[in-house]
Amino acid sequence: SQKIEQNSEALNIQEGKTATLTCNYTNYSPAYLQWYRQDPGRGPVFLLLIRENEKEKRKERLKVTFDTTLKQSLFHITASQPADSATYLCALDLTGANNLFFGTGTRLTVIP
Amino acid sequence: DAGVTQSPTHLIKTRGQHVTLRCSPISGHKSVSWYQQVLGQGPQFIFQYYEKEERGRGNFPDRFSARQFPNYSSELNVNALLLGDSALYLCASSIAGQTYTDTQYFGPGTRLTVL
Repeated sequence: SQKIEQNSEALNIQEGKTATLTCNYTNYSPAYLQWYRQDPGRGPVFLLLIRENEKEKRKERLKVTFDTTLKQSLFHITASQPADSATYLCALDLTGANNLFFGTGTRLTVIP
Repeated sequence: DAGVTQSPTHLIKTRGQHVTLRCSPISGHKSVSWYQQVLGQGPQFIFQYYEKEERGRGNFPDRFSARQFPNYSSELNVNALLLGDSALYLCASSIAGQTYTDTQYFGPGTRLTVL
């Protein structure tokens, strides 16, 4: 069955360092992958979409890579700040029917 | 501009009851999707509606149903509530529901507790 895994439930890093989050998927070849941020008690907020023919995408301090051979996406936050603390979710359209399937999320804490 | 709104914010029900959750999309958006998020998990897709037609359904029992109205607002109905239905129910709206090109905007969710 299709599965989306995010590397760890929680990640703690020091302010100013680069946070790297991993999203792995199996049994599917998605055309694109999305990353969202979710704060406690709030709905997810869209951050970035990367397509299968794009190796890397950047937006301000965010960088996403997409390796369709490894079936993996990496999400980087450079020069991390305490305000970056949140849960980060990756999402794929696993059926080609415009229905998003989410990973379990990684809770990032940036320590001042 | 107002974002996606959902009502109620919180809801407490008992097993066997029925619940209706409501969602108003962003003005101009014609697609609404519903997700269930259990504590500690990612959102799980339930339904997608576009122009009042069901476009997709996730792996949920028939106790879950939804509809979209002519003004593009939507209702999610859950019958015969079970303890396991306790979750945050999220609504997301987009222009046309094309997840490849349309950004999905999520509402704040309705927290449902089943006792």
